[in-house]
Amino acid sequence: EVKLVESGGGLVQPGGSLRLSCAASGFTFSDYWMAWVRQAPGKGLEWLANIRQDGTEISYVDSARGRFTISRDNAKNSVYLQMNGLRGEDTAVYYCARDFGGYDSYDLWGQGTLVSVSS
Amino acid sequence: QSVVTQPPSASGAPGQRVTISCSGTSSNIGSRTVNWYQQLPGTAPKLLIYDTDQRPSGVPDRFSGSRSGTSASLAISGLQSEDEADYYCAVWDVSLNAVVFGGGTKLTVL
Repeated sequence: EVKLVESGGGLVQPGGSLRLSCAASGFTFSDYWMAWVRQAPGKGLEWLANIRQDGTEISYVDSARGRFTISRDNAKNSVYLQMNGLRGEDTAVYYCARDFGGYDSYDLWGQGTLVSVSS
Repeated sequence: QSVVTQPPSASGAPGQRVTISCSGTSSNIGSRTVNWYQQLPGTAPKLLIYDTDQRPSGVPDRFSGSRSGTSASLAISGLQSEDEADYYCAVWDVSLNAVVFGGGTKLTVL
């Protein structure tokens, strides 16, 4: 079965850090760009970052640049999001997604992992 | 406030045709392809349209996408109750060097 499974979410205090993981299965992970997208409660989708197949090209949205780091390990079929300096406004469901055609078109999504930032 | 703008809501009766707009600029819709996603309550988004007007395998031909200048549209014909969902446009912005999502449109089937 082709799927993405996120993990690593949870409750963290403001200023804290969290590392999200996304495990891919059922397809050749190293063939695809990957991305992270989040959705705050009751709000719309916000793209955070993407990473090229070999990890040599990365882009971030302004709100994530400098605090979040996307990375991947093709040997482990996984993509990661390291989040530092977390704030209340980072509370959201975080999704990883596969870019299937290089048009920034995300055809496969995980179920999401909830990150709650609160004291 | 997103750099691409969608109406917050849309509605239509079963069987009708509904269009959802996505307005942008020359830095995004005017120069790059547009994607559309459907999100049912409590679920992950689903790719509906890619490359502005292409449907992934399995998406009914009731769904279609188009673009004119710096605006894009998603049309849904033969509206069905299961189409009730949130719809998002998304496009790469060459100035921001990032993907931008529209704010989303909540579609209600009357």
